[in-house]
Amino acid sequence: DQQVKQNSPSLSVQEGRISILNCDYTNSMFDYFLWYKKYPAEGPTFLISISSIKDKNEDGRFTVFLNKSAKHLSLHIVPSQPGDSAVYFCAASLGAQKLVFGQGTRLTINP
Amino acid sequence: DAGITQSPRYKITETGRQVTLMCHQTWSHSYMFWYRQDLGHGLRLIYYSAAADITDKGEVPDGYVVSRSKTENFPLTLESATRSQTSVYFCASSESGWLGGSSYEQYFGPGTRLTVT
Repeated sequence: DQQVKQNSPSLSVQEGRISILNCDYTNSMFDYFLWYKKYPAEGPTFLISISSIKDKNEDGRFTVFLNKSAKHLSLHIVPSQPGDSAVYFCAASLGAQKLVFGQGTRLTINP
Repeated sequence: DAGITQSPRYKITETGRQVTLMCHQTWSHSYMFWYRQDLGHGLRLIYYSAAADITDKGEVPDGYVVSRSKTENFPLTLESATRSQTSVYFCASSESGWLGGSSYEQYFGPGTRLTVT
């Protein structure tokens, strides 16, 4: 029973364009959502988060949007850079320190 | 070095052997976690700990044992390794409450790639 789903295993985007990564969830009780970025042979690193009481959070080139009615969140990266090529995981919290992760999306930025 | 470290980084073991993966953090974070990463499953929580001597099961705890006698260490033991436990294992830590405006952010170690033959 996958509570957090990333339905696109991979995404390829041209450098300078916008990258949009999507994530769907089933549990309406999740109170916080996070995005992590992972390079090969390294641990995931925190990128950006959003509380369930908000619908948008922005940090530089990264913006996360939350649509609670659709149980959907997305990560926008603009403009995309070669260093953004990585695996991106979305995660959700149930009011505790435990996180539930999606399967990940591999983003490739092409020059 | 400050941060969260894991050892070994790579391990090959045989089916049935006991193996222990080590995790050490220098931040004195209350919470520590063990995840496994497998293709198609993302990161799945094995066990977590809210403080020294307090541990609890995650999503996939079968075949694993943890202990936490000191705040900074959180070893994960596979008592009798099986091929299905071949995976990349990540340790993470976090502090309770709010962290610089964001909540529940976890800091991950570099991972241990375990192969069970």
